[in-house]
Amino acid sequence: DAGVIQSPRHEVTEMGQEVTLRCKPISGHNSLFWYRQTMMRGLELLIYFNNNVPIDDSGMPEDRFSAKMPNASFSTLKIQPSEPRDSAVYFCASSSDSLRGETQYFGPGTRLLVL
Amino acid sequence: KNEVEQSPQNLTAQEGEFITINCSYSVGISALHWLQQHPGGGIVSLFMLSSGKKKHGRLIATINIQEKHSSLHITASHPRDSAVYICAVGGGGNQFYFGTGTSLTVIP
Repeated sequence: DAGVIQSPRHEVTEMGQEVTLRCKPISGHNSLFWYRQTMMRGLELLIYFNNNVPIDDSGMPEDRFSAKMPNASFSTLKIQPSEPRDSAVYFCASSSDSLRGETQYFGPGTRLLVL
Repeated sequence: KNEVEQSPQNLTAQEGEFITINCSYSVGISALHWLQQHPGGGIVSLFMLSSGKKKHGRLIATINIQEKHSSLHITASHPRDSAVYICAVGGGGNQFYFGTGTSLTVIP
């Protein structure tokens, strides 16, 4: 398996633009997680899905952020409109069970810079 | 107060030294994870623990549920172990808490 795939790997955009980050989990995994990492706040869980259903989105910073998982092999994290403070590395991870039980496998991350 | 506290924040060791990184948490948990993040940014999950001890190569992770404490040990450290090690706990109510990480540098 290729592991968790994220795209793009790097994104530079201007404030106010829409940003869409994509994630393909490991085949057969039924849980998917979106994380954000910044120097100031470290790693933060934004949202996670179990069987394509959002279970906990309490970490999503505000309404500008939205995430979808239309099927078991694809998820998106969208920021609209983007702001400079959204600049961070966004990681996607998947596991074969829920947040609590199983090892998570991380993607390489998307480095986002909002100017 | 942070739900997960790691120590030390920074650690420099000579190659071959035995290394211990500590993690204390204040919430009830279902599982504790040790993550490794290399300078390039990639994150690897090293261990997921709910009790006892796990070993993988030169890495050993232990957890004491009663004391709410976990340790990550690296035996015979090597420069390629240089990375940030992050402790994370999955708590009740679907919460997930991260430590701020321990930056390890192993000098040849």
